[in-house]
Amino acid sequence: EAQVTQNPRYLITVTGKKLTVTCSQNMNHEYMSWYRQDPGLGLRQIYYSMNVEVTDKGDVPEGYKVSRKEKRNFPLILESPSPNQTSLYFCASMFQRSTDTQYFGPGTRLTVL
Amino acid sequence: AQSVTQLDSQVPVFEEAPVELRCNYSSSVSVYLFWYVQYPNQGLQLLLKYLSGSTLVKGINGFEAEFNKSQTSFHLRKPSVHISDTAEYFCAVTPPYNQGGKLIFGQGTELSVKP
Repeated sequence: EAQVTQNPRYLITVTGKKLTVTCSQNMNHEYMSWYRQDPGLGLRQIYYSMNVEVTDKGDVPEGYKVSRKEKRNFPLILESPSPNQTSLYFCASMFQRSTDTQYFGPGTRLTVL
Repeated sequence: AQSVTQLDSQVPVFEEAPVELRCNYSSSVSVYLFWYVQYPNQGLQLLLKYLSGSTLVKGINGFEAEFNKSQTSFHLRKPSVHISDTAEYFCAVTPPYNQGGKLIFGQGTELSVKP
């Protein structure tokens, strides 16, 4: 089954404790992206990657890091989480073109205390 | 730059009634337009998209949307809703030249279908 998976689905942590949210897709998509969803703001892009070893900032990259060492994986790293990073995070993937459908993972709900 | 405004944050409606979810966008260039649906505790799923051609676009689950260039709108409609349509709906745009395909989302509209 074609899908985007994220782990963990739920995470409660404390300020400053480094964490990684994993994302994996099995569709051989070149493009992958991370979004955060906050009430009343919709989804905003954090980082994206157009291929292996090619990443770039989205609209809200502060406090986040990403890497793309393999085509299928695109982890999101919070080196020193803060409470304002409490949010619902979605990973997405698609083939390269803007006309293509983006496929979203099930989401990771992160709470930073 | 592009922006998307969904005019209603919440839309309550009775089962079998028609519904329209409104979306307006702002862009100095042409854009592709999308509607996504998010069921409770799930990721986003594409309902339909407008790339070019006919301005009336049909999607899954009986939804359709009409692109109106002069009014910069892309409203989503369904003639008769079901309880299972209860979800949050997001309108999104992306410019064709954006090779990365970044989606610019609206704030979302919560559709609540009551029996």
